[in-house]
Amino acid sequence: DGGITQSPKYLFRKEGQNVTLSCEQNLNHDAMYWYRQDPGQGLRLIYYSQIVNDFQKGDIAEGYSVSREKKESFPLTVTSAQKNPTAFYLCASTSTGVIAEAFFGQGTRLTVV
Amino acid sequence: QKEVEQDPGPLSVPEGAIVSLNCTYSNSAFQYFMWYRQYSRKGPELLMYTYSSGNKEDGRFTAQVDKSSKYISLFIRDSQPSDSATYLCAMSGGAGGYNKLIFGAGTRLAVHP
Repeated sequence: DGGITQSPKYLFRKEGQNVTLSCEQNLNHDAMYWYRQDPGQGLRLIYYSQIVNDFQKGDIAEGYSVSREKKESFPLTVTSAQKNPTAFYLCASTSTGVIAEAFFGQGTRLTVV
Repeated sequence: QKEVEQDPGPLSVPEGAIVSLNCTYSNSAFQYFMWYRQYSRKGPELLMYTYSSGNKEDGRFTAQVDKSSKYISLFIRDSQPSDSATYLCAMSGGAGGYNKLIFGAGTRLAVHP
């Protein structure tokens, strides 16, 4: 079945550590996105990529980094520069056609301990 | 002012009630309007999308867009306990190429038996 897989489902980070969240899709979508979800704030865009080896900052990119070496994969690194990383992280993908139907993964809950 | 405003609720209704969920927006360039449903600790899933103004019906769900008022609605008829979830509106203004989805904060709905 086609879809988006995020791993791990739960992740714990110590202060000062970098952690990487995985996102893989087999939908043959060109565009991929990372969102952060906090209670009462909806989804905020961190980074997005329209094509392999290219990505752009979203609204809250500070303290995060991404890579897009393969069409299927768009990992997100939460660096120690991100001061408040505890959140629910969602990866999504879309085709680059006119209609932006986004498919989401099941999310990774990151907690700083 | 946020581009998309959505009352976070929570909204509690009895089973069988008609539910009305709403979003307002400020960006007149938005052309695609979507509603996503998100169960607790899961990724959002697309319920419906509408292009420009008008109504769209799918089973118990009806989506309405009023571009002149910059107002969109989702109606749920004969609500069921299984409809209990967070409902997120999303919008995009793209035409070809990248479509950046802007999300509302989400409205938490509880349907009690």
